[in-house]
Amino acid sequence: QQQVKQSPQSLIVQKGGISIINCAYENTAFDYFPWYQQFPGKGPALLIAIRPDVSEKKEGRFTISFNKSAKQFSLHIMDSQPGDSATYFCAASFGNTGKLIFGQGTTLQVKP
Amino acid sequence: DVKVTQSSRYLVKRTGEKVFLECVQDMDHENMFWYRQDPGLGLRLIYFSYDVKMKEKGDIPEGYSVSREKKERFSLILESASTNQTSMYLCASSLTPENIQYFGAGTRLSVL
Repeated sequence: QQQVKQSPQSLIVQKGGISIINCAYENTAFDYFPWYQQFPGKGPALLIAIRPDVSEKKEGRFTISFNKSAKQFSLHIMDSQPGDSATYFCAASFGNTGKLIFGQGTTLQVKP
Repeated sequence: DVKVTQSSRYLVKRTGEKVFLECVQDMDHENMFWYRQDPGLGLRLIYFSYDVKMKEKGDIPEGYSVSREKKERFSLILESASTNQTSMYLCASSLTPENIQYFGAGTRLSVL
């Protein structure tokens, strides 16, 4: 019940295309859903995050869509660029525990 | 600028050795975390600490211990390293439990 399931494991997109990564969770107590981006040789860094009181959050080319009833959330990268090539992790937490439950990760490759 | 520094990028140890992984943050953050990252499994929380000398088990604490004698430093200890502890280890810190976690670049540990 603590798991966050992420798909796909890997994704190849052409430059200018839309990249979509999906996550699903079971624990309805989760109330914070961040996405982290990790480049090779670096630690993950927060990309964008959402709370369940909104269905969508957009920051530049990155959008989180949140479906509370389906217990799913997704990351959309519009106009994908080769510089977006990285590993993306969704995560979830609840309350003020600070504990993040991470998804399995998606390796994105954007081809020029 | 936010900085979490892990003392080693790469470590090679022998089975049975005692291993220390060090993490230092310069942001005066209250909370510090240790994760391990494995392909297909995402990031899994080993231990975390909300304050000096305080620690709490994460999801996979077996075979590990931690030490936090000073606010800025959080050490992960492998009492007797085993081959199944070969992994990437990531340290993170946050100002409060609800805040963004900032990650170090990671230590890739190989246990032979």
